[in-house]
Amino acid sequence: KNEVEQSPQNLTAQEGEFITINCSYSVGISALHWLQQHPGGGIVSLFMLSSGKKKHGRLIATINIQEKHSSLHITASHPRDSAVYICAVTNPGDSNYQLIWGAGTKLIIKP
Amino acid sequence: KAGVTQTPRYLIKTRGQQVTLSCSPISGHRSVSWYQQTPGQGLQFLFEYFSETQRNKGNFPGRFSGRQFSNSRSEMNVSTLELGDSALYLCASSFLDMNTEAFFGQGTRLTVV
Repeated sequence: KNEVEQSPQNLTAQEGEFITINCSYSVGISALHWLQQHPGGGIVSLFMLSSGKKKHGRLIATINIQEKHSSLHITASHPRDSAVYICAVTNPGDSNYQLIWGAGTKLIIKP
Repeated sequence: KAGVTQTPRYLIKTRGQQVTLSCSPISGHRSVSWYQQTPGQGLQFLFEYFSETQRNKGNFPGRFSGRQFSNSRSEMNVSTLELGDSALYLCASSFLDMNTEAFFGQGTRLTVV
């Protein structure tokens, strides 16, 4: 079993829909990252959180430490949001020097 | 401020050759970590450097090596290239470690033929 599990693996939605991507982890963590990867490869950091909730524009990230679960929400989705969204965590056991990655969720927003 | 710069962006090499990839972190960042991304294995950790010292290493063979210079720029080297080394190599820069915000480069896409 992977230490970081994301769901769904693939998600196709219509423009304007509310999107939720889930991340569950089985290890103790120091921090959880949500990242976005567009075709071509470059990765953009969206959020880093260790508790509670963060919001940036149309993106919201939440984390529940007790349940070992995080969600990334996109409100009023737009075709430019189409990308792979990746959840990654740092594990204190690894001295926080590396990220443990989920497999990613491929999101397609249709106009 | 300038982002994380990886060079080159694309590279084609022949089996058996060696390759050096470069990563220039954001100014002031001392931690640089490297990751390999392949369709089959996803993203995997290679190694992390801080102030010229390797602090952690992933499960890759000794053909993969790296170093960091006093200006925090980092290089990774792969010797005796194999077809399976074809991948996107990403570096991430952060101020201290992965408990601080990480910034990623665009990656170097290596193709081994």
